Amino acid sequence: EPEVTQTPSHQVTQMGQEVILRCVPISNHLYFYWYRQILGQKVEFLVSFYNNEISEKSEIFDDQFSVERPDGSNFTLKIRSTKLEDSAMYFCASSLLGVHEQYFGPGTRLTVT
Amino acid sequence: SQELEQSPQSLIVQEGKNLTINCTSSKTLYGLYWYKQKYGEGLIFLMMLQKGGEEKSHEKITAKLDEKKQQSSLHITASQPSHAGIYLCGADMRRITSGSRLTFGEGTQLTVNP
Repeated sequence: EPEVTQTPSHQVTQMGQEVILRCVPISNHLYFYWYRQILGQKVEFLVSFYNNEISEKSEIFDDQFSVERPDGSNFTLKIRSTKLEDSAMYFCASSLLGVHEQYFGPGTRLTVT
Repeated sequence: SQELEQSPQSLIVQEGKNLTINCTSSKTLYGLYWYKQKYGEGLIFLMMLQKGGEEKSHEKITAKLDEKKQQSSLHITASQPSHAGIYLCGADMRRITSGSRLTFGEGTQLTVNP
């Protein structure tokens, strides 16, 4: 069964460093998303991406965040200068259509020290 | 106030018992999604509901969306230890087709005792 994959599963970085989180969405899906979940809190929407551009972003997704689909399979989230408060589980998701079943990856746990 | 409220926050049941988890909003829910999450892991898609009055079932889990599209319930029949986990409802509260931005509830922690 097709699934969303994410790498790495756990990333530890120092404050101020850049990190890139990688995702491989389900192959025929057209819409891609990033969400995050700070420990003990709700899952929060960050950004949606369609047709090689951002469809929508939340207030959390400020200038330090960027997304890219560098090739036909990968979807990346870059955090330019990490802060302690960026520590969270980051989930990638994809869906075939705009309003459709949204499948999540297993997440990348980002720890900023 | 929360945009999407789940109840109860936690639930402990004996194996074999039925249970219901609710998800309520003051706004219209244009897409309602149920997920299961094990602590520290990813979200497993269970079901998606869109139409008022819609009901879907998969194995022993049934989800319903009310006619007004402001409340959904997830019902598990004859619960098993494998049903244990955190159940999350997520919803798109906008009538839009260019990508769903899901708002999530806080989750319901389900424990099933053998």
